[in-house]
Amino acid sequence: TQLLEQSPQFLSIQEGENLTVYCNSSSVFSSLQWYRQEPGEGPVLLVTVVTGGEVKKLKRLTFQFGDARKDSSLHITAAQTGDTGLYLCAGENGGSNYKLTFGKGTLLTVNP
Amino acid sequence: GAGVSQSPSNKVTEKGKDVELRCDPISGHTALYWYRQSLGQGLEFLIYFQGNSAPDKSGLPSDRFSAERTGGSVSTLTIQRTQQEDSAVYLCASSPRTGGRGKLFFGSGTQLSVL
Repeated sequence: TQLLEQSPQFLSIQEGENLTVYCNSSSVFSSLQWYRQEPGEGPVLLVTVVTGGEVKKLKRLTFQFGDARKDSSLHITAAQTGDTGLYLCAGENGGSNYKLTFGKGTLLTVNP
Repeated sequence: GAGVSQSPSNKVTEKGKDVELRCDPISGHTALYWYRQSLGQGLEFLIYFQGNSAPDKSGLPSDRFSAERTGGSVSTLTIQRTQQEDSAVYLCASSPRTGGRGKLFFGSGTQLSVL
């Protein structure tokens, strides 16, 4: 069974601070997705990374896929209260390309 | 509708009762997924539909769980003889394509509470 470990599990910071959350596995994934989930809502896709070493930027969010395609990170610059939510990573196994494996998520709280 | 719609949004039931959860995917999306999210846990894959067929049912926790999809659209997840450990948020997602790297569009989920 492929597992995705996310860290930290909880993160509480002040508005304006920078942060990085991690998604690690011992397995190789053909692609990895990051989602954000707000209370009472379903997850919303932020980005998909496919190539080892790939870096994608979405405004203040920077996503990186590890060279070996086993890990990923999400860096947020100058966090805002609107960034508050549960950040989930999900890996896709090329051999089972319809089934995403989700991590447990990082619950981020950005305080004003 | 514009997004994936799930109903009911909340369901409280007594242990041993049957429940049906409904998912209306985005029109034209061929792939449909059911996931379960328990407190402090990640999303657990339950079942995947391609059209009306379910190629993989291996994620269903027990034979009390079943799902169907009709007309390549609406899907129903049925849980028979509910148990307290079935309490969770049940999420449905649809995708316009099959296979890898498809973008999943999630509904807001059904919060199931079994007393």
